Amino acid sequence: GAVVSQHPSRVICKSGTSVKIECRSLDFQATTMFWYRQFPKQSLMLMATSNEGSKATYEQGVEKDKFLINHASLTLSTLTVTSAHPEDSSFYICSARVQGGGYTFGSGTRLTVV
Amino acid sequence: GQQLNQSPQSMFIQEGEDVSMNCTSSSIFNTWLWYKQDPGEGPVLLIALYKAGELTSNGRLTAQFGITRKDSFLNISASIPSDVGIYFCAGSARGDDMRFGAGTRLTVKP
Repeated sequence: GAVVSQHPSRVICKSGTSVKIECRSLDFQATTMFWYRQFPKQSLMLMATSNEGSKATYEQGVEKDKFLINHASLTLSTLTVTSAHPEDSSFYICSARVQGGGYTFGSGTRLTVV
Repeated sequence: GQQLNQSPQSMFIQEGEDVSMNCTSSSIFNTWLWYKQDPGEGPVLLIALYKAGELTSNGRLTAQFGITRKDSFLNISASIPSDVGIYFCAGSARGDDMRFGAGTRLTVKP
């Protein structure tokens, strides 16, 4: 089946630094990928929709200058958390729509900002 | 953000019991999806529903797409300890606008 590979699975960074998270579709082309954030014991909240070759669409309240999304190819989307702060610590998950209408998810990245 | 009402928030059941959870929406969806998430992992698709009234099974799991297209339920029969986890419903109207319910946290006591 369709697989999305997400890296890294865990990252700890210092406050003020930037962190890049990658999502790759391994056996299919993903023109659209979605980025979610999940706080402990909460649901997944859509942050932005990443479109190959064009600008990402951000949900209301999500700072596009802080969460930079790049979708330069049909198999790779990246989310960069710039100037990270402790409140950005969260579980970030990407997903891609697959043929047939379902969505497949990456395994998530747990970001801890210290 | 989150636009689906999922209930219950949590369930504590005995192994062997059946489980039922549901999601409702104020707007019509064309796709309903049910996922399970284990701690520290991404959600895994359990069942996908694309047609109003559709009833689909996956082993001990059964899900239905409500006839009004504003609700869906998931049933788990004869629960086992490995059913423990968080179950999320997700709905989409256009295909690029999937939203998640708040999740149902299931605990199964042996």
